[in-house]
Amino acid sequence: QLVESGGGVVQPGGSLRLSCATSGFTFKSYGMQWVRQAPGKGLEWVAIIWPDGTEDYYGDSVKGRGTISRDNSESTVFLEINRLTADDTGVYYCARVRYALVRGVLIPYYFDYWGQGALVTVSS
Amino acid sequence: QSVLTQPPSVSAAPGQRVTISCSGSSSNIGTNYVSWYQRLPGTAPKLLIYDDNKRPSEVPDRFSGSKSGTSATLGISGLETGDEADYYCAIWDSSLSSVLFGGGTRLTVL
Repeated sequence: QLVESGGGVVQPGGSLRLSCATSGFTFKSYGMQWVRQAPGKGLEWVAIIWPDGTEDYYGDSVKGRGTISRDNSESTVFLEINRLTADDTGVYYCARVRYALVRGVLIPYYFDYWGQGALVTVSS
Repeated sequence: QSVLTQPPSVSAAPGQRVTISCSGSSSNIGTNYVSWYQRLPGTAPKLLIYDDNKRPSEVPDRFSGSKSGTSATLGISGLETGDEADYYCAIWDSSLSSVLFGGGTRLTVL
């Protein structure tokens, strides 16, 4: 189970911090990611973090403004985004990431469980 | 504009078969595994296909996946009205170190 929290209305220029609490699996063995969907738009990848937290990557829309982190002792993944604009409005989903070993390199290859999403509205 | 290209919409009658394409490049589809997701209105995305052509046990065998070169295809046979949804392909791009989602395809069952 994945449950997002921390959504709501945020002023432009402000920050958000979303949490995704998980249960029912060995959290530290899986990567986690955030994906968002703006109103009327498609899915947009936001960020991903490796199982041990040693690697993280970001989509262009949040690069330099966003930070994904995890607390393996609490089985929770977080997303912080600063300098919010109206373009950050949308539903934010966390998802569990499965990995594959491709030519000796561990790569993400599918996302098998998703939370129900947290709505973030950036508005004054 | 997404790096993975999907048709914006497809439609077919109940009982028929439809295919949705996903076109990429050598650094993503040509190298790594494609997955497909269904997003029903008002719900979270659901995994339909992984590893190019494998189905989770709870997904009906009406759904299938294939890949050739730098393109992937989702097939849905025996269409039902409950299949009306948005469908997305996704993959890891090794050059960009990014997860890519296609722009999504809206399926209408006429």
